[in-house]
Amino acid sequence: SQQGEEDPQALSIQEGENATMNCSYKTSINNLQWYRQNSGRGLVHLILIRSNEREKHSGRLRVTLDTSKKSSSLLITASRAADTASYFCATDEHGSARQLTFGSGTQLTVLP
Amino acid sequence: DTAVSQTPKYLVTQMGNDKSIKCEQNLGHDTMYWYKQDSKKFLKIMFSYNNKELIINETVPNRFSPKSPDKAHLNLHINSLELGDSAVYFCASSGRVINEKLFFGSGTQLSVL
Repeated sequence: SQQGEEDPQALSIQEGENATMNCSYKTSINNLQWYRQNSGRGLVHLILIRSNEREKHSGRLRVTLDTSKKSSSLLITASRAADTASYFCATDEHGSARQLTFGSGTQLTVLP
Repeated sequence: DTAVSQTPKYLVTQMGNDKSIKCEQNLGHDTMYWYKQDSKKFLKIMFSYNNKELIINETVPNRFSPKSPDKAHLNLHINSLELGDSAVYFCASSGRVINEKLFFGSGTQLSVL
């Protein structure tokens, strides 16, 4: 299977609820990034967390990184209908040929 | 102003044709990329250029040839298009550090008939 796999593949919640998405990876990494993709659009960078960091916040986003479990989570608090999108994690593998590897994403639907 | 712009947005063509997709970024970034996104939304790197020099060339058929006339442009030319080339192609760029905080174009939906 691929580096950077998101879980769940799809998530549907009500507006105002929190959404949690997970990402697992296989090798040592320099950093892990989360991106959002709205339907028919390009990806937008949300947040980057380095391998020596455990948690990072940006507005309603909270990202955690557990390098011992090779996993990360993205929490979106107080979700809005506008948060409906696909969310991807991307890993920059340590010592790799400088390749950023994306997973296949979590489709988040926030119902009004 | 659009940071990373790629044209065309839609490209419908017959098998065997040759086509090009253009990409330009006005962010002053040194590194540009081409990614391919398949129907399951899996995104895979194809090429990466840093200051007009190729730094990543993944296993893609040599029918795909990137060209970077200057560091603000990275075009993708595809020869002898095949059905399996149908996908969304994204151009992206990044600044000081390669592979960090990529800015993506809005994509080119390629359909090969």
